[in-house]
Amino acid sequence: SQTIHQWPATLVQPVGSPLSLECTVEGTSNPNLYWYRQAAGRGLQLLFYSVGIGQISSEVPQNLSASRPQDRQFILSSKKLLLSDSGFYLCAWSLKQIKPYEQYFGPGTRLTVT
Amino acid sequence: EDQVTQSPEALRLQEGESSSLNCSYTVSGLRGLFWYRQDPGKGPEFLFTLYSAGEEKEKERLKATLTKKESFLHITAPKPEDSATYLCAVQAKENYTITGNQFYFGTGTSLTVIP
Repeated sequence: SQTIHQWPATLVQPVGSPLSLECTVEGTSNPNLYWYRQAAGRGLQLLFYSVGIGQISSEVPQNLSASRPQDRQFILSSKKLLLSDSGFYLCAWSLKQIKPYEQYFGPGTRLTVT
Repeated sequence: EDQVTQSPEALRLQEGESSSLNCSYTVSGLRGLFWYRQDPGKGPEFLFTLYSAGEEKEKERLKATLTKKESFLHITAPKPEDSATYLCAVQAKENYTITGNQFYFGTGTSLTVIP
């Protein structure tokens, strides 16, 4: 069965500091991968998605970036955090063989920028 | 323009009191509609996918139905452990490309079941 991991689970960072969140998927190969942000009282906002190694598409302009160095690894980064970057960050995966693409989420990372 | 609207925002039920949650969508071509359950501080847990009007799916006390404009999540005789936020998402045909498959998520219904 497939499993998705995210770390860290919680993070408190000062404004202007760098960020690196990691997501890995086990039990499948060549998945689609996604980064979402969930703010309190708001829906999930898609930040990035990837259909393969090195292939990243951005959905919204921001000071965040994403990378996919390995097939089942997805990284969310920032060089300098803003207060507005606080939120709950979720990684998700989906299979390419099944349409529509059902997405399965990881446990999330709670980021607080102070 | 909102693609997915969920109502009510919050719902409190007595244990055993059945009710329904609503998800209305405005996309012109539906590829799929998805229901998720999310517990506080955790990632959404996949529940159902519905593909076409008239389709129904069931899991324990939950039953999801779909029409051309909305979906309902019916909760029969709920228990306190059913307390969670229920999210609805749609994937629209016009946004599907070979490289992207964006979902539109609603803001959820927070369900509290009181013992």
